[in-house]
Amino acid sequence: DIVMTQSPLSLPVTPGEPASISCKSTQSLLHSNGNNFLDWYLQKPGQSPQLLIYLGSNRASGVPDRFSGSGSGTDFTLKISRVETEDVGIYYCMQGLQTPRTFGQGTKVEIK
Amino acid sequence: EVQLVESGGDLVKPGGSLRLSCGVSGMNFIAAWMSWVRQAPGKGLEWVGRIKSKGSGGTTDYGAPVKGRFTISRDDSKNTLYLQMDSLKTEDTGLYYCTHLIYAGAYGVGEPQLASWGQGTLVTVSS
Repeated sequence: DIVMTQSPLSLPVTPGEPASISCKSTQSLLHSNGNNFLDWYLQKPGQSPQLLIYLGSNRASGVPDRFSGSGSGTDFTLKISRVETEDVGIYYCMQGLQTPRTFGQGTKVEIK
Repeated sequence: EVQLVESGGDLVKPGGSLRLSCGVSGMNFIAAWMSWVRQAPGKGLEWVGRIKSKGSGGTTDYGAPVKGRFTISRDDSKNTLYLQMDSLKTEDTGLYYCTHLIYAGAYGVGEPQLASWGQGTLVTVSS
């Protein structure tokens, strides 16, 4: 199985400042078609998770452009250009290359 | 708007069985790929398994912790997804989410994204 490792696991942030989360996989998620099969999900407090970024760098519908995904192969990054208070929650990366699907441990983003 | 409503969560003893249901509306369920994801109290997300549409073969896949004990099925005439859980263990305790999968890009390659989620139903396995 592909193991996903996120860092940091806790990220205190200041509103208006940037934030960055790393996600690494034990196997390359780069498919021969050029896509990276890595998605990001956000679980806001008390809510169900929601899709944020798909195929490494594509924002899901309705996701603000302050969110961006980058990376390829085994190393990926989610960046928030300017954190807003509504961005608090737990961010998960998940590989979509094969089953069983696997999530990272989650990164808890909270306001300082 | 896609709506997923889970039900069936309960308190059950170790070794017991439980069947969860997920009622679906707002989409063409017959063509939908669906999955279950669970979350133990205070813990992260764990993929339980996935079922393809019958048109795609209707096949299922499961995570190692539940393989052989859990079964995902669907009733397209009722727009309902099921999760039959047998030989339950205390570590199966958690909130179980039903999710709708779609290919947001790269159609048919790899696995689709978990595009919509229900609110979850709570399963507690305890003596």
